[in-house]
Amino acid sequence: TQLLEQSPQFLSIQEGENLTVYCNSSSVFSSLQWYRQEPGEGPVLLVTVVTGGEVKKLKRLTFQFGDARKDSSLHITAAQPGDTGLYLCAGVAGWGSQGNLIFGKGTKLSVKP
Amino acid sequence: SAVISQKPSRDICQRGTSLTIQCQVDSQVTMMFWYRQQPGQSLTLIATANQGSEATYESGFVIDKFPISRPNLTFSTLTVSNMSPEDSSIYLCSAGTGNSPLHFGNGTRLTVT
Repeated sequence: TQLLEQSPQFLSIQEGENLTVYCNSSSVFSSLQWYRQEPGEGPVLLVTVVTGGEVKKLKRLTFQFGDARKDSSLHITAAQPGDTGLYLCAGVAGWGSQGNLIFGKGTKLSVKP
Repeated sequence: SAVISQKPSRDICQRGTSLTIQCQVDSQVTMMFWYRQQPGQSLTLIATANQGSEATYESGFVIDKFPISRPNLTFSTLTVSNMSPEDSSIYLCSAGTGNSPLHFGNGTRLTVT
């Protein structure tokens, strides 16, 4: 069974601080997606990383896919209260098959003003 | 990207009853899935809704408890049957096409008393 270990599970920081969320597995994924979910809403896709070693930036968010496509990280610079939410990583286990989407347990981020 | 409408958004039901959740996509999609999410936690795949054939269930989920319909490429239903308090959760519909990332509805928050 493929698993995605996501850490930390909870993170409470002050506005302006930096943070990194990690997503690790012993398995290889064809791609990895990061979602953010706010209370009462469904997960919203932030980014998909496909190539080993790939780095993608979305404003203050930097996503990296490990060279071996087994792990990924999300780094947020100068966090703001609007970044508060549940961050989920999800790995695509099969090639060309979104049906094999495996989710990490999520990181609940709280950014205090 | 597909827009997914899910209803009801929330419901409170008595044990022993059944609830049917509807998922409508604004465009034709090849794949539709149903997930369960405990509040503040990650997503667990219940089943893949297959158009014109029986749904494919994940381990721990059975058709008698979670019957699913998918009459066409834009619509699916999930029924939670003979409910117990343990079924209290958020149920999410997602959809996608080909290798595109999944998009999610806003979920149905179910409370069973």
